[in-house]
Amino acid sequence: QQQVKQSPQSLIVQKGGISIINCAYENTAFDYFPWYQQFPGKGPALLIAIRPDVSEKKEGRFTISFNKSAKQFSLHIMDSQPGDSATYFCAASGAAGNKLTFGGGTRVLVKP
Amino acid sequence: EAGVVQSPRYKIIEKKQPVAFWCNPISGHNTLYWYRQNLGQGPELLIRYENEEAVDDSQLPKDRFSAERLKGVDSTLKIQPAELGDSAVYLCASSLYGTGVTYEQYFGPGTRLTVT
Repeated sequence: QQQVKQSPQSLIVQKGGISIINCAYENTAFDYFPWYQQFPGKGPALLIAIRPDVSEKKEGRFTISFNKSAKQFSLHIMDSQPGDSATYFCAASGAAGNKLTFGGGTRVLVKP
Repeated sequence: EAGVVQSPRYKIIEKKQPVAFWCNPISGHNTLYWYRQNLGQGPELLIRYENEEAVDDSQLPKDRFSAERLKGVDSTLKIQPAELGDSAVYLCASSLYGTGVTYEQYFGPGTRLTVT
């Protein structure tokens, strides 16, 4: 059972544009929602994370928006740069954050 | 500070052969995870250790996979015998688990296994 659904599978954005990736979850016990960035040949690296007590969290050009009632959350990459070209994974876990369930990933390509 | 170290980075074996992967977590991290990442998919948890204890191995195919974390530091994941479907990237991650701390998981670079 895929408990975290991620879309789109891939997207192409022009440099300076906004990349938006969406995730939906089913398990209402989830309350920790991180996003990971993965470059080819590397392991996933934590980008930003949110807990459901806030609806938005911003770190630099990266923003998570969270909608608890809809069980959805999204990643916005502002002013996208070619160096942001990577695969992005959303994930979710329970309170302890120790059992992550990952989405299927979104391959982002930023064109110069 | 050194990150999660894994070896080997690449491994090519024939089916039915055994293979082992090694992981050294970030110093001080008491929780260690093994994930499998199939091509084009997100990582899937195989096993989680808290110190020396495997606290979640529900997704580990125990007929051919085994893992150990002696002394609560390094860990080894073994497959015997390997099957074609085991071709994937095997990721190790670690985190610090306890009251009042954040639980970010830090991943190693992974071992890419190809079974022919």
